Amino acid sequence: EDQVTQSPEALRLQEGESSSLNCSYTVSGLRGLFWYRQDPGKGPEFLFTLYSAGEEKEKERLKATLTKKESFLHITAPKPEDSATYLCAVQARGTYKYIFGTGTRLKVLA
Amino acid sequence: GAGVSQSPSNKVTEKGKDVELRCDPISGHTALYWYRQSLGQGLEFLIYFQGNSAPDKSGLPSDRFSAERTGGSVSTLTIQRTQQEDSAVYLCASSWGGPGSTDTQYFGPGTRLTVL
Repeated sequence: EDQVTQSPEALRLQEGESSSLNCSYTVSGLRGLFWYRQDPGKGPEFLFTLYSAGEEKEKERLKATLTKKESFLHITAPKPEDSATYLCAVQARGTYKYIFGTGTRLKVLA
Repeated sequence: GAGVSQSPSNKVTEKGKDVELRCDPISGHTALYWYRQSLGQGLEFLIYFQGNSAPDKSGLPSDRFSAERTGGSVSTLTIQRTQQEDSAVYLCASSWGGPGSTDTQYFGPGTRLTVL
């Protein structure tokens, strides 16, 4: 069964304190792994798509990496505005359906 | 360009009433998805449209839930005889939908449904 597990559930960081969020997955042939950011009361905002092990993508203070079993979202020198819930999802080859994790709630303190 | 829009943004209804939630996908996107997000829970898949047809309705929780899509564009999710457990945020997403495409889903802002 396709499954996504995110850890930790919640994370509090001081401004400037770098860290990583984990997304472990099992899927019958990966078509894509997706990271989203969700602010309270809003829909998920697309961040990255990763397709194959070894791939990396960056955007501002965020960098996403992918292995055959997990993905990491690295946050470098975070700012309070990076506070949000970060969601990970996978899509299996030959399917349209996303399987979402339950997210990591990140709070960055000034 | 315009993103996915949903209306209403908030809906408060009484138990037993019917509600309709609307989704306007990104122009040109053939695939459309409905999800439900309950407090503290992940996104729960409800239904997938490719064009006007719904090849996968497996996530609809009961026969009180139905959805349609017309003109390959706007979609409506209808919940009949609402129950308190239907209270949640209903999210719509759309994507290009091609078999070889990246198929990234883009989400709307959601409709927060509260059933009293």
